[in-house]
Amino acid sequence: EPEVTQTPSHQVTQMGQEVILRCVPISNHLYFYWYRQILGQKVEFLVSFYNNEISEKSEIFDDQFSVERPDGSNFTLKIRSTKLEDSAMYFCASRPTTVGDTQYFGPGTRLTVL
Amino acid sequence: AQTVTQSQPEMSVQEAETVTLSCTYDTSENNYYLFWYKQPPSRQMILVIRQEAYKQQNATENRFSVNFQKAAKSFSLKISDSQLGDTAMYFCAFMKHNQGGKLIFGQGTELSVKP
Repeated sequence: EPEVTQTPSHQVTQMGQEVILRCVPISNHLYFYWYRQILGQKVEFLVSFYNNEISEKSEIFDDQFSVERPDGSNFTLKIRSTKLEDSAMYFCASRPTTVGDTQYFGPGTRLTVL
Repeated sequence: AQTVTQSQPEMSVQEAETVTLSCTYDTSENNYYLFWYKQPPSRQMILVIRQEAYKQQNATENRFSVNFQKAAKSFSLKISDSQLGDTAMYFCAFMKHNQGGKLIFGQGTELSVKP
């Protein structure tokens, strides 16, 4: 069964450094998402992406964040200058075109900012 | 703005018994979708069940079923014949009927199934 994959599984970085989190969505899906989950808290929406552009973003998704689909298969989340409070689990998700379709989540990347 | 509330931070159940997890939501939308996701210790998010608001029939998936009360804005999950592998955090989620389709999650209920 097709699945969403994410790399790396765990990333440790120093405060102020740039990180890129990578995702490979399911191949025939057209909508892509990033969510984050701070330890012990609920999952929060960051951004949705469709047709090579952001369709919606949350207030968390400020100028330090960017997303890209560089090659038609990968979907990346970049944090330009990481802060301690960016430490969280980051989940990528994708879904097919139909409104209401289920989103399928990747296994997540645990980001630790020191 | 839509909100999702799960009022039970933790629950426990004996193996083979039945447990019900509660979820309420607030929205002015008429068309939307509701989901239950399971997050085991691995922290992977796994879809358990999905409900379309325009369908009156409650969704079922094997041992999992929902009680969807649209007027009361309630969406509870019933797990029958609980198994040790059901131990996980369970999140209720709401999605508006639009192309964007972002999920809004509740705070989660941590379920422990005891042998």
